[in-house]
Amino acid sequence: DVKVTQSSRYLVKRTGEKVFLECVQDMDHENMFWYRQDPGLGLRLIYFSYDVKMKEKGDIPEGYSVSREKKERFSLILESASTNQTSMYLCASSFALGPGAFFGQGTRLTVV
Amino acid sequence: QKEVEQDPGPLSVPEGAIVSLNCTYSNSAFQYFMWYRQYSRKGPELLMYTYSSGNKEDGRFTAQVDKSSKYISLFIRDSQPSDSATYLCAMSAVGDTGNQFYFGTGTSLTVIP
Repeated sequence: DVKVTQSSRYLVKRTGEKVFLECVQDMDHENMFWYRQDPGLGLRLIYFSYDVKMKEKGDIPEGYSVSREKKERFSLILESASTNQTSMYLCASSFALGPGAFFGQGTRLTVV
Repeated sequence: QKEVEQDPGPLSVPEGAIVSLNCTYSNSAFQYFMWYRQYSRKGPELLMYTYSSGNKEDGRFTAQVDKSSKYISLFIRDSQPSDSATYLCAMSAVGDTGNQFYFGTGTSLTVIP
């Protein structure tokens, strides 16, 4: 089975902290994604990566950056956490950009 | 206008019923259409995907895409209590003009035993 593993299920951080969310996939997928999920807004794409060191902005990249130094690992960085970044963060990976993706379990981030 | 519209429900049906879940969209460039199931406190799980218009069946699940109407559906036959979850539609366009990925907000389904 494809496995996408996010480093934390729950995180609590303070406003202004630099936050790292890590994601690892074990199926040699080229493409990896970071989404956030909020009630009433659904999943929104923050960034995706189609190759090592390659990235493309999604719909809501402001306040976030990403890093993909190795094919299996995709990190989401909150440069200076703010309370409006409190959300569920979901990582996903896939072979092709089109036909869907496999998701991790999510990280519930609370910024206080 | 949102790229993808999905009725949030909640939808409650008796066990054994046929369930119909729907999404509409506005962007004619979308090529891939997906349905996900998400249980509480879990990540979404891909159920079905289709490319362009047409039907696709997998067990009790049937996905339909009508690109002329910009309308997609997921049908669940013989619904089971284990089908109780939130169902998300998603669509994507991949190409030279850029890559786009959008999700609906999800429909909450409860199947009553």
